[in-house]
Amino acid sequence: KAGVTQTPRYLIKTRGQQVTLSCSPISGHRSVSWYQQTPGQGLQFLFEYFSETQRNKGNFPGRFSGRQFSNSRSEMNVSTLELGDSALYLCASRADPGGGSPLHFGNGTRLTVT
Amino acid sequence: GEDVEQSLFLSVREGDSSVINCTYTDSSSTYLYWYKQEPGAGLQLLTYIFSNMDMKQDQRLTVLLNKKDKHLSLRIADTQTGDSAIYFCAESMGIYNQGGKLIFGQGTELSVKP
Repeated sequence: KAGVTQTPRYLIKTRGQQVTLSCSPISGHRSVSWYQQTPGQGLQFLFEYFSETQRNKGNFPGRFSGRQFSNSRSEMNVSTLELGDSALYLCASRADPGGGSPLHFGNGTRLTVT
Repeated sequence: GEDVEQSLFLSVREGDSSVINCTYTDSSSTYLYWYKQEPGAGLQLLTYIFSNMDMKQDQRLTVLLNKKDKHLSLRIADTQTGDSAIYFCAESMGIYNQGGKLIFGQGTELSVKP
């Protein structure tokens, strides 16, 4: 089974621009979560989607948004980019939103904002 | 509040056992996870334990959970140079709407010397 696939692997954007990151979950997984990883703040939860609905949201500004499609694929969008948004963005999928289903992560998208 | 603490560095000799420790604060955590991150990669799920268990063994990995002290450890037997990586401990509420939200520790960088 293919793992979680994230595209693109690397992105360079300028302050003020917006960016869209894409995630394809493991086949059969219906829940997708997004995390931001930075050296200063570590790994922080952004949001989780299941059945095209946001189930939970972390403590990030409204510039960070996401969506999930009927095939469980997910995208996240960051608008009006700031230098502090430079990070590794990780997508994770799991079979269902129940507690016993562990998260499986992709290799991430490395975003650099200049 | 939710908080997970890990020591930042651990250095061992090849062939020795490694023990990585983690403490968490939320007594309602139901699942606890160990992930491994190699340079330039995402998070690899190593193992996880339900809070009503006190031990889980999986090949070279042994997880011990002391729920009273909110202490989790990961023991790697016969540590190899390929085990050099950053290891993250994470906790999850495990209930329906929170299961995709993991609280991560800062990560322990394991260095294995030949």
